[in-house]
Amino acid sequence: GIQVEQSPPDLILQEGANSTLRCNFSDSVNNLQWFHQNPWGQLINLFYIPSGTKQNGRLSATTVATERYSLLYISSSQTTDSGVYFCAVSRNFGNEKLTFGTGTRLTIIP
Amino acid sequence: SQTIHQWPATLVQPVGSPLSLECTVEGTSNPNLYWYRQAAGRGLQLLFYSVGIGQISSEVPQNLSASRPQDRQFILSSKKLLLSDSGFYLCAGTLAGGMGSPLHFGNGTRLTVT
Repeated sequence: GIQVEQSPPDLILQEGANSTLRCNFSDSVNNLQWFHQNPWGQLINLFYIPSGTKQNGRLSATTVATERYSLLYISSSQTTDSGVYFCAVSRNFGNEKLTFGTGTRLTIIP
Repeated sequence: SQTIHQWPATLVQPVGSPLSLECTVEGTSNPNLYWYRQAAGRGLQLLFYSVGIGQISSEVPQNLSASRPQDRQFILSSKKLLLSDSGFYLCAGTLAGGMGSPLHFGNGTRLTVT
């Protein structure tokens, strides 16, 4: 199956800093999503982005499908951004075979 | 937009007892529904998915089963829990068909088997 690697595994930043999280995958994909899991366990879908660039407020994501990686940018970090960020990919357009990475744990210090 | 409801939020059960976790969906018809488990640590493992009433696909052999008695209801069950069934269980769904549709999660059930 597809291998998904996320880096860095852990990231500690001061409030207000910017960050870039990376997701590398081993095969071509038609489905790529970014999720944020907050400290209470809630998983929120941030982006559905198999290719191209999207922005939502302070967050943006870029997927370069031909080079098999995706980046999640967080600007002006807030303490509520803390948690684990997961990348999930699939060769299929549907979600039945999504493979999740092991995540990046982000801690924002006030 | 669709909302995934899941309960209970936490559950402590003795080994050998039965389990029933329920998930319901609002805001869409004929969704694709999924049960995931997240063990201690970070990884999410797909347990079951369903594309319609009575249609269940199992991804891994295990002590659990799933059922979809209604379009917007997905149930995770076990007849006899094992210690290894402890974990964080998440129900998720996508819009009908699921093609090109983002996955949305419920708030999860934290199960401890003692």
